[in-house]
Amino acid sequence: GALVYQYPRRTICKSGTSMRMECQAVGFQATSVAWYRQSPQKTFELIALSTVNSAIKYEQNFTQEKFPISHPNLSFSSMTVLNAYLEDRGLYLCGAKDRGEVFFGKGTRLTVV
Amino acid sequence: AQSVTQPDARVTVSEGASLQLRCKYSSSVTPYLFWYVQYPRQGLQLLLKYYSGDPVVQGVNGFEAEFSKSNSSFHLRKASVHWSDSAVYFCAVSPSNTGYQNFYFGKGTSLTVIP
Repeated sequence: GALVYQYPRRTICKSGTSMRMECQAVGFQATSVAWYRQSPQKTFELIALSTVNSAIKYEQNFTQEKFPISHPNLSFSSMTVLNAYLEDRGLYLCGAKDRGEVFFGKGTRLTVV
Repeated sequence: AQSVTQPDARVTVSEGASLQLRCKYSSSVTPYLFWYVQYPRQGLQLLLKYYSGDPVVQGVNGFEAEFSKSNSSFHLRKASVHWSDSAVYFCAVSPSNTGYQNFYFGKGTSLTVIP
């Protein structure tokens, strides 16, 4: 079956430092990967959509300078939160799509102290 | 532009009662429509989806949803809820102009089922 693994599942970083999270597609080819953030008590906000061999498209309020994304092949994507501050805390979810379906990982929960 | 409105932030029902969670959407292009559920400290699980055809779609665990183009709605229903249905439910749209690759979510409805 198709699965999406995200790691780490939980992480804590000091304010002002950076944190990298990874998204691994198993059992299918992730032609596109979308990254989302769920801040405390809020919904899932789309950060960016990455399609292999295409430019990464960031949503308003999110930038490559703050959330650089790598999508080097059809099974892997990573995103870094640079200079993390309190407002960056939350659950980061990746959704990977093959030809038909989007599969979500269980997320990386980021705490900033 | 896409947006999803879930007007009820919290819903409380008794076990065995029927349930409707409301969702209205706005989309400039033909969307796919989804309902996802998030259990405490978990990611998202797909309940059901609508692409086209019969406006009533069946999902997992007895959930169903009805699409209404005239009302721009996609309400979720269940005939008889169980305490284990307590969770946060998200309605989402996926626009066709991105090849249905990404989602825009509503703010979620937190469902509490009282035993």
